[in-house]
Amino acid sequence: NAGVTQTPKFRVLKTGQSMTLLCAQDMNHEYMYWYRQDPGMGLRLIHYSVGEGTTAKGEVPDGYNVSRLKKQNFLLGLESAAPSQTSVYFCASSYFRANYGYTFGSGTRLTVV
Amino acid sequence: SQKIEQNSEALNIQEGKTATLTCNYTNYSPAYLQWYRQDPGRGPVFLLLIRENEKEKRKERLKVTFDTTLKQSLFHITASQPADSATYLCALEPNSGYSTLTFGKGTMLLVSP
Repeated sequence: NAGVTQTPKFRVLKTGQSMTLLCAQDMNHEYMYWYRQDPGMGLRLIHYSVGEGTTAKGEVPDGYNVSRLKKQNFLLGLESAAPSQTSVYFCASSYFRANYGYTFGSGTRLTVV
Repeated sequence: SQKIEQNSEALNIQEGKTATLTCNYTNYSPAYLQWYRQDPGRGPVFLLLIRENEKEKRKERLKVTFDTTLKQSLFHITASQPADSATYLCALEPNSGYSTLTFGKGTMLLVSP
């Protein structure tokens, strides 16, 4: 099925550990995004990419890094995890100007203890 | 600062009635306004997009209105069904720059049989 695939679906990290979340899309979308969703805060944009090899900061970029080496993949890295990064992370992709909306993955639930 | 406001209280309605959800925004000049549905534990799913020069858009039982003077969008579900129970998110895309969506916090809709 065409869409956005996120791995892993669940992860528990200890404070200070690092990890990478992987997002893959097979719709040939130019744009890809990483959001986090917290209770009472809604979806907040972490980083985004407008094409292969490009990345840009969103609303809440601190503590995260991203890379888009291939058009279909967008990686989100946590170098030194903190409890404040406990959240549900969603990857999404779209065409330019999102005329057809964003396609979201099913999310990664991350707990940092 | 830019704000997108959706009613934080859940909307409870009876099956068969029309559900109306509100999205208000301030300090924003959106090119597009989008509505998404999110079920528990899942990623948001795109429903409808309306452009700034459009007053109304329909899709099956869904209708969206967009009033740029009032800075408000209304989302209607006619003949609501228990399967329509979910959280509905509105999202705005700016008039300039790259295509990144800013989301409201969502309103939960509960349709009882």
